Amino acid sequence: GAVVSQHPSWVICKSGTSVKIECRSLDFQATTMFWYRQFPKQSLMLMATSNEGSKATYEQGVEKDKFLINHASLTLSTLTVTSAHPEDSSFYICSPGQDYEQYFGPGTRLTVT
Amino acid sequence: QKEVEQNSGPLSVPEGAIASLNCTYSDRGSQSFFWYRQYSGKSPELIMFIYSNGDKEDGRFTAQLNKASQYVSLLIRDSQPSDSATYLCAVNIFGNEKLTFGTGTRLTIIP
Repeated sequence: GAVVSQHPSWVICKSGTSVKIECRSLDFQATTMFWYRQFPKQSLMLMATSNEGSKATYEQGVEKDKFLINHASLTLSTLTVTSAHPEDSSFYICSPGQDYEQYFGPGTRLTVT
Repeated sequence: QKEVEQNSGPLSVPEGAIASLNCTYSDRGSQSFFWYRQYSGKSPELIMFIYSNGDKEDGRFTAQLNKASQYVSLLIRDSQPSDSATYLCAVNIFGNEKLTFGTGTRLTIIP
């Protein structure tokens, strides 16, 4: 299977600060990147979809100015949670896709205090 | 009606028995169907995918797809305690890479 890394694996930040999460596909080039969020005991919720070099498409209810996505290359995408609040505490998972196969990163657990 | 529905469980199965997980979907345009396993605190890992009606076997796992009835199932033979996890069903529509996930079924294998 494909190798995907995310960094950091967990982060604690204070309310009002910003956090950047990196996602790298290590052994393949991802034409599409999906970012998911998962709250405890809930399923994955798609936040946004991005294609390399173009702007991300956000799902309904996801604030594009709060969750900044950059997909600058076929192997790297970043999600920045700006002005984080406690309700943003969640498990964030990236999913690089290639030819309709999706692989998941190990996830980043964000806790906002 | 939810797009992808799964029984949330928990589903308890004795070790060595067959675990049967079911998933129904509402969009008849759905073309690809995926089963993911997610351990607590971890991200999902792909178990199997199926595109055509019928059965697809991979080791102890068998995926079954019935497009006429709009359901897909996953059978786990010779269940092991390590199979205890939440199983997520996901669906996508041809031409659209976006996956729609069910809420998952929590499976517990009892030693």
